[in-house]
Amino acid sequence: DQQVKQNSPSLSVQEGRISILNCDYTNSMFDYFLWYKKYPAEGPTFLISISSIKDKNEDGRFTVFLNKSAKHLSLHIVPSQPGDSAVYFCAASAQLGAQKLVFGQGTRLTINP
Amino acid sequence: DGGITQSPKYLFRKEGQNVTLSCEQNLNHDAMYWYRQDPGQGLRLIYYSQIVNDFQKGDIAEGYSVSREKKESFPLTVTSAQKNPTAFYLCASSIQGDQPQHFGDGTRLSIL
Repeated sequence: DQQVKQNSPSLSVQEGRISILNCDYTNSMFDYFLWYKKYPAEGPTFLISISSIKDKNEDGRFTVFLNKSAKHLSLHIVPSQPGDSAVYFCAASAQLGAQKLVFGQGTRLTINP
Repeated sequence: DGGITQSPKYLFRKEGQNVTLSCEQNLNHDAMYWYRQDPGQGLRLIYYSQIVNDFQKGDIAEGYSVSREKKESFPLTVTSAQKNPTAFYLCASSIQGDQPQHFGDGTRLSIL
């Protein structure tokens, strides 16, 4: 039962353009969502998060949008840079879940020069 | 620098042997976690601990064991009962009751 899904295994974007990574979830108890970035042979690095009381959170080039009715969130990166090439994971937690995170499968983003 | 240290980075073991993966953190975090990552899949929770001398099973605990004798340390033992142990193992920690979780750089375990 995949509670958090990232349906695009890979995404290729030209440098300077916008990258949009998508994530869907099924568990309505999830109330906190995070995006992590991962380089090969390294651990994930926290990027940005959003609480279910908000529908948008912005941090520099990164913006996360949450659509609770659709159970969908997205990460926008603008402008995209070569260093953004990595695997991006979305993750979700439920307030009653003892901080347990449920991860999506990841999307490999490649930024082309 | 504060952080999470996992050692070794690569580990090879013969089939049927138990192996212990190390995870140490100096972030003064109460909560620690172990995840497993397989190719094309997200991270799956093996075990987590919210406080010293206490831990709970995650979604895929079978074939694994942990201990939490010290706040800084949360070692994971992959036992011979784990049917498919070859994977990338990630340790994380967080402030109790808060996100985000901070990750180490992982240990890649290969069973020969």
